[in-house]
Amino acid sequence: QQQVKQSPQSLIVQKGGISIINCAYENTAFDYFPWYQQFPGKGPALLIAIRPDVSEKKEGRFTISFNKSAKQFSLHIMDSQPGDSATYFCAASKAGNTPLVFGKGTRLSVIA
Amino acid sequence: GAVVSQHPSWVICKSGTSVKIECRSLDFQATTMFWYRQFPKQSLMLMATSNEGSKATYEQGVEKDKFLINHASLTLSTLTVTSAHPEDSSFYICSARGQGLSNSPLHFGNGTRLTVT
Repeated sequence: QQQVKQSPQSLIVQKGGISIINCAYENTAFDYFPWYQQFPGKGPALLIAIRPDVSEKKEGRFTISFNKSAKQFSLHIMDSQPGDSATYFCAASKAGNTPLVFGKGTRLSVIA
Repeated sequence: GAVVSQHPSWVICKSGTSVKIECRSLDFQATTMFWYRQFPKQSLMLMATSNEGSKATYEQGVEKDKFLINHASLTLSTLTVTSAHPEDSSFYICSARGQGLSNSPLHFGNGTRLTVT
């Protein structure tokens, strides 16, 4: 049973375009939703995160949109650059010092 | 920011031998650390939760006698893969929350690539 479903599996975006990755979750006990970026051979690095009390959070070119009623959240990367080419994971966790449950990942390629 | 250091970054061992992976929180104390495993082109799967001063909690399907976890101090957790076999070849990543606080982001080490020949 996959607790966090992520799509698409892969994405190709032109330089300067907008990259959009979507995730959906089932467990209403989740209250923390981060996005991680991972380059080959490296551990995942936190990009941006949101909690259910807000519907949107923006940090630089990265924006999370959160829809609590639909149990969905998405990552938007504005003005996508070749350096953004990486694998992106959405995740979720419950309150407290609990582990993250990850989506299956999206391999983003930004082409010039 | 919080830093989680993992060592070694890669290791190659022969089948049947044991390998120890260290995970350190460099600028904070972590009572809890999480160990994940990632196969090529796949997601991160939680293996176990490491608790300082007590036994680790393992996820379903993870053999506790094969993957020994020791969290002897507030800044160090170790994962030992015992009697490693080729199917144990994977990317092992540890993580901890900054300042060990429950509402802090989860930070990951840079992982250990284990290859069992």
